[in-house]
Amino acid sequence: AQSVTQLDSQVPVFEEAPVELRCNYSSSVSVYLFWYVQYPNQGLQLLLKYLSGSTLVESINGFEAEFNKSQTSFHLRKPSVHISDTAEYFCAVSPYGSSNTGKLIFGQGTTLQVKP
Amino acid sequence: NAGVTQTPKFQVLKTGQSMTLQCAQDMNHEYMSWYRQDPGMGLRLIHYSVGAGITDQGEVPNGYNVSRSTTEDFPLRLLSAAPSQTSVYFCASSSITSPNTGELFFGEGSRLTVL
Repeated sequence: AQSVTQLDSQVPVFEEAPVELRCNYSSSVSVYLFWYVQYPNQGLQLLLKYLSGSTLVESINGFEAEFNKSQTSFHLRKPSVHISDTAEYFCAVSPYGSSNTGKLIFGQGTTLQVKP
Repeated sequence: NAGVTQTPKFQVLKTGQSMTLQCAQDMNHEYMSWYRQDPGMGLRLIHYSVGAGITDQGEVPNGYNVSRSTTEDFPLRLLSAAPSQTSVYFCASSSITSPNTGELFFGEGSRLTVL
């Protein structure tokens, strides 16, 4: 079984400041790792994912996340946030390979509040 | 590009009433699932399906029923609504290749209030 813990429920930050949203997971098998973003009154959208290879993955809008296997973490970072980044962010995992059946296990979510 | 379509977007029910949340996808995805989203609890899996005619329970299945008669449709039925089922419900789909990548495609959500 897998579980995901997002260590901060809310993260307030000023515009153009850096931000880190923390995610730790627990799993007895290898997993894929994801960050999804949910803008107000919308569904979830995939932000970035780690499947294999380089442990640092990037999104098209400046976010990056680093897979740390020894610490079982997948923290999300952005060096300079914008007002438009205000949203809820979810970390998620799914089992690797053939045991995957399209299910994701989500963390509790972190609300990023970017202030002007 | 419809993607995953959920109806209705909003619904108010009285305790004990039944209803069906509809979900349809036009991407020919094999996998479909229903999640509920509650404050501070993230998304929890209710039921999922790996193909037409095949469904299974997720983390919080009690009080809900599903069926998958076609690839496109995956309705969620509330048998006898309770206030604890007040939530936002999301339907999601993924392809047989994307489970190995994990990318789910979500609908816009259905906000249900049970009085």
